[in-house]
Amino acid sequence: QVQLVESGGGVVQPGGSLRLSCAASGFAINKFGMHWVRQIPGKGLEWVTFIRFDGNTWYADAVQGRFTISMDNADNTVHLQMTSLRPEDTAMYYCAKAAPMAVAGSGTFDVWGRGLMVIVSS
Amino acid sequence: DIQMAQSPSSLSAFVGDKVTITCRPSQSVATYLNWYHQEPGKVPKLLIYVASSLQQGVPSRFTGSGSGTHFTLTISSLQPEDVGTYYCQQSYETPYTFGQGTKVEIK
Repeated sequence: QVQLVESGGGVVQPGGSLRLSCAASGFAINKFGMHWVRQIPGKGLEWVTFIRFDGNTWYADAVQGRFTISMDNADNTVHLQMTSLRPEDTAMYYCAKAAPMAVAGSGTFDVWGRGLMVIVSS
Repeated sequence: DIQMAQSPSSLSAFVGDKVTITCRPSQSVATYLNWYHQEPGKVPKLLIYVASSLQQGVPSRFTGSGSGTHFTLTISSLQPEDVGTYYCQQSYETPYTFGQGTKVEIK
């Protein structure tokens, strides 16, 4: 059964750091790639970052230089290191599996975790 | 960045009605267009990928069509469990972008 479980959310002060993790089961993350998508409560969805199966990474402009996505193949876990956090980073963060490239393209999110809340506030 | 314009922003329809949602990317995305459904308080779920392919397990009343800069999602017979917000999303290039959402309610 394909499943994603996020951990590491919470409350942090502006300028602080937080590390989110997403443990995958039922598939190998290094065969597909993984995304993080965020959603301000009551608002729409915003793509944050993607790590492809080969380790290449892409970021939204809003987080470029502050967030780093990484992949731990041994633990089948993807991490999101967030630094220099701002109040506008407050959101529900979802990790999502990339769909098979040949079927739907890596930019399609076919399995989602339950999400975790990050609150940046003093 | 590719901007995604969805319409309408909300709609209300009767059970059994046919419902259509439109998505217009600001530039061509070929058929790299996906649709998601988010029930209130729940996680988004992939419905349609590459414009018209039905994700496994999604009911056949959902249909996607279009290419380039004009796409539609159709629900042939609206059911109570279809309430929530629908998002289109382009997977043509990064940054991957979503429409603002269409909130669907039952009359």
